Amino acid sequence: EAQVTQNPRYLITVTGKKLTVTCSQNMNHEYMSWYRQDPGLGLRQIYYSMNVEVTDKGDVPEGYKVSRKEKRNFPLILESPSPNQTSLYFCASKARGVYGYTFGSGTRLTVV
Amino acid sequence: AQKVTQAQTEISVVEKEDVTLDCVYETRDTTYYLFWYKQPPSGELVFLIRRNSFDEQNEISGRYSWNFQKSTSSFNFTITASQVVDSAVYFCALSSNTGKLIFGQGTTLQVKP
Repeated sequence: EAQVTQNPRYLITVTGKKLTVTCSQNMNHEYMSWYRQDPGLGLRQIYYSMNVEVTDKGDVPEGYKVSRKEKRNFPLILESPSPNQTSLYFCASKARGVYGYTFGSGTRLTVV
Repeated sequence: AQKVTQAQTEISVVEKEDVTLDCVYETRDTTYYLFWYKQPPSGELVFLIRRNSFDEQNEISGRYSWNFQKSTSSFNFTITASQVVDSAVYFCALSSNTGKLIFGQGTTLQVKP
């Protein structure tokens, strides 16, 4: 089944403790992206990647890192999480030339 | 700059009422796509429709219909005879050739029995 898989679905962590949210897609898509969703703000892009080893900042990249060493994986790294990064995170992927993304199921992160 | 505006933050209706969710967008691109997504309480994003900038034909899918008007930069979504299961957050989104998907703020729809 074609899908984007995020893990974990839920995570509660403490301020400053490094964490990684994984994202994997099995559709051989070139584009991958991370979004965060906050009430009243919709979904905002954090980082995106147009292909292996090619990443760029989205609208709200501060406090996040990403890497794209393999086509299928696009992990989101929070080196020192803070409470303002408490949010619902979505990973998404799409093929080049296609205008719609396939979304993962979301990761609800709470930083206390 | 590209932007999507959903002016309605929350809408509450009684079951069987019709409801329209508004979406206004801004873009300088001539080729772009518009989307609607549904987010039920479980949290996942459910794709509803995609419409490209060259196709202004309205679309109907069961109780759902979409009205795309380039003249007013709007892509409104109507649910006919609403049901409790329609309760969700609905997002309108815009994508152009940069590949970036830009979302509106979302409209929370509550359908009461």
